[in-house]
This record gives sequence, C-alpha cells and structure tokens, in this order.
Amino acid sequence: GAGVSQSPSNKVTEKGKDVELRCDPISGHTALYWYRQSLGQGLEFLIYFQGNSAPDKSGLPSDRFSAERTGGSVSTLTIQRTQQEDSAVYLCASSYSGTNTDTQYFGPGTRLTVL
Amino acid sequence: AQSVTQPDIHITVSEGASLELRCNYSYGATPYLFWYVQSPGQGLQLLLKYFSGDTLVQGIKGFEAEFKRSQSSFNLRKPSVHWSDAAEYFCAVAINNAGNMLTFGGGTRLMVKP
Repeated sequence: GAGVSQSPSNKVTEKGKDVELRCDPISGHTALYWYRQSLGQGLEFLIYFQGNSAPDKSGLPSDRFSAERTGGSVSTLTIQRTQQEDSAVYLCASSYSGTNTDTQYFGPGTRLTVL
Repeated sequence: AQSVTQPDIHITVSEGASLELRCNYSYGATPYLFWYVQSPGQGLQLLLKYFSGDTLVQGIKGFEAEFKRSQSSFNLRKPSVHWSDAAEYFCAVAINNAGNMLTFGGGTRLMVKP
C-alpha cells in the first residue's frame, strides 16, 4: 500500500513568512510524528499525535511552531515568521498504534530553505 | 535523559568487506532499539529493531545487530557490503512511555569503495 507522503518536497521561503507543511500518514495508522533533520541538531522529535488525544508538543523548539491533525489523518505543521535557523528537512512518520514496539514509517520529507 | 551516540561520523569500506557500525545508548530502563537507513533524497527505512529476547536480531538487506546490555551497545553488522549500501545509518532508541518518540544518534555516513 501507499506509504507516508509529504508535500511539498521542497519549499523556499523568505525570512518572516509563514509556511505550512503537509503529511499524509499510512491509512489506518493512529500515531503520527513530526521530526526535524538539520545539520546542526541532527534528527530531533518535534510533536506527536495519537488518536484523539492531546498532542505531545514537548519537542517544538518555539511557539512559532504548531501542528494540527484533522480527522485523525492528515497533519499540517505550521511555522510562523520563519527564521533562517528553521531551514531543515522536516520528516513525518506514522505508526499503527504508537506503542514503543511499533515501527515508525517515515515519509520522504520536506526540505525547507529560509532565505 | 536518554541519548544515543554513534562515534563514527564517516566510514569507508571496500565492496565485499565486512561492516560494523557502532551505537551506544544511555537510558535507565530496558531500551527499545532501532537501526534506520537513509539513502540520498530518501526517507528513513527501518533495517531492524530490538525489544527483548534473543540479543542478535536479523534485519533486511542482510544486516544484523547485537544488543549488549553490559556495554550499552547495539552495533550494526553486515558480513559483505554492497555498493548499494552506501547511505547514512541512524541508531535510535524509543522511550518506554506513551508516545514512543525516537531519540536518534548523529548518524554514520557509509561510503563503499569499488
């Protein structure tokens, strides 16, 4: 079946603009994660959704970052007033139930460049 | 807080040679350990995972890893490397609580010489 998909694959924006990144998880997966991959920080967790529960936002680096998941499926990560340090690859992953034995399946990522 | 260390940033091996990528973790409880591979322009693909039981786990593409609690290690091995194995490899640990978010090591970039 289809894997995790993300759009756009690349996004170039100007400093101070808002951006929205989209993730379509694998159908039937209740858990959805956002990670960020950057040269300076490596791969780091951002936010986690599980079903209808309140998301775990413990990894969000600032209040400029937010995410929502509509209908338990598609998720959007929004970065407001982008800064150059936000330049990174944003990866989305989903898993069947979010338990720690589940495999997380990753999408190809969105490469964000802030000029 | 948990952490994962991959001591080797870059490794170069000849095609056909054996490979071992090192991973050390710091975590108080029983870890759930993973190895992922990322090819250029691709997302992360799971190679193998360890939760409990036999400490030697087999994965895809001929990879295996051995969990050694006494050394806090989970090294990845392959007996004979193929040119297509050139990629970046990430070790990760899942926190044993609700959420299962992964903490990743810094990655090891593998280059394969013909």
